[in-house]
Order: sequence, then structure tokens, then C-alpha cells
Amino acid sequence: AQTVTQSQPEMSVQEAETVTLSCTYDTSENNYYLFWYKQPPSRQMILVIRQEAYKQQNATENRFSVNFQKAAKSFSLKISDSQLGDTAMYFCAFMWDNDKIIFGKGTRLHILP
Amino acid sequence: DVKVTQSSRYLVKRTGEKVFLECVQDMDHENMFWYRQDPGLGLRLIYFSYDVKMKEKGDIPEGYSVSREKKERFSLILESASTNQTSMYLCASSLLSYSRYQETQYFGPGTRLLVL
Repeated sequence: AQTVTQSQPEMSVQEAETVTLSCTYDTSENNYYLFWYKQPPSRQMILVIRQEAYKQQNATENRFSVNFQKAAKSFSLKISDSQLGDTAMYFCAFMWDNDKIIFGKGTRLHILP
Repeated sequence: DVKVTQSSRYLVKRTGEKVFLECVQDMDHENMFWYRQDPGLGLRLIYFSYDVKMKEKGDIPEGYSVSREKKERFSLILESASTNQTSMYLCASSLLSYSRYQETQYFGPGTRLLVL
């Protein structure tokens, strides 16, 4: 069975700082995808970044980057130069067989002015 | 632990058929949500409900309706299925939030719908 664990229920950082959200997972699958989703108070889940397990290079999208450690089954999200609009719930997700997905319980991130 | 179940993992339907996707949660959550997930688009909210018989449209409600007759059950209905509704459908539930932040949403395993 696959599991996704986000060990930080809540975090706060000052605007412009860098913050790292942790995610670990457990699986016996070889082919899978990992995602970070953002859910601001407007409710819609927004895809932030995705990582294919077969790619060694860490994915990057502007201020968002991941540290993918496949052997350690770790997939952390780094937000650089954090902005007030980054305040949201962040979910780590694991997908396998192209259509099975499970989510972590989320990390509530507060960006303080 | 919260358990959210969806009635089917895989469904194959024909264009024009009426499709029912059922979701049940066992934690007495007020909020329930239906999303669809498509490659490259992330999760998009179809409908949500914050109480029995209450519903609100999400971002992409066209072609869908919902029913919440009991607190634990939230059904998504495709009145006349079309091929562009082929997708992964995810149900979620959460407690009612009394702050400006969302409560954690707990997701079901998803239903993969193929419309031919």
C-alpha cells in the first residue's frame, strides 16, 4: 500500500524568507509521479509542481522547487522569496498506474507580513 | 482515521448515459467536495456542499449536478455523459472552517471514468 506523510501540520514564515515543506512517502512501485498542490482559501486546488520518479533532476517552477530523494522516499517543496499570496494549505500527492492518487494530510502555511 | 469511500474505482459509460458517482464519509464532516483531475490541469472543483441539501457551484459545474440528501453522502451526477467528461473524479470531505483558512480535506481513492 502507498502512504504519504506530511509531518508539519502548520508553519509560519516571514515574507521574503525561504520555506521548505516536507513530504515522505512509502511505496513498492517503480513508476510514479509526485505532486505538490496548493489550496488557497478560494478552495480550488492548484497544481504547483510535479515530478516524475524516473527523472533524477529536481523539478522547478519559478520560486517553487523540489528536493526529490528517491532512495529516501522524500519529496520536499521549497518556496523561495515567499509572498503573502503563498498563504494556503499545501498537499503532497503520490500517483501511480497513471490514475491512482493519494494525498497527504496537508501543511498549513502562513506567510507573515 | 477519516475514511472517504467512492462507489467505483473504474467506470466505462457511453455518450448520453446518466452517470452517478457516489461518495461516503464516516467522520460527520459538514463539507464535501467533488473535483476532477486532468493531466496538466491539477484538481478543479466541480461542486461542493457545506450542509445537507445545500450545494454551491465550483469552477466547472457545467454538465454536472449533485445531491446531498444525507450528511455522509454526496453524489455527483452526469445528466448526459460526454466524452470530454472522461477524467479522474475525486471526492473529499472536511470539517466546517470557522476561520479564513481551509480545514484539511480528506480525499477518497478516486473514480476513473471513461466515456465512449
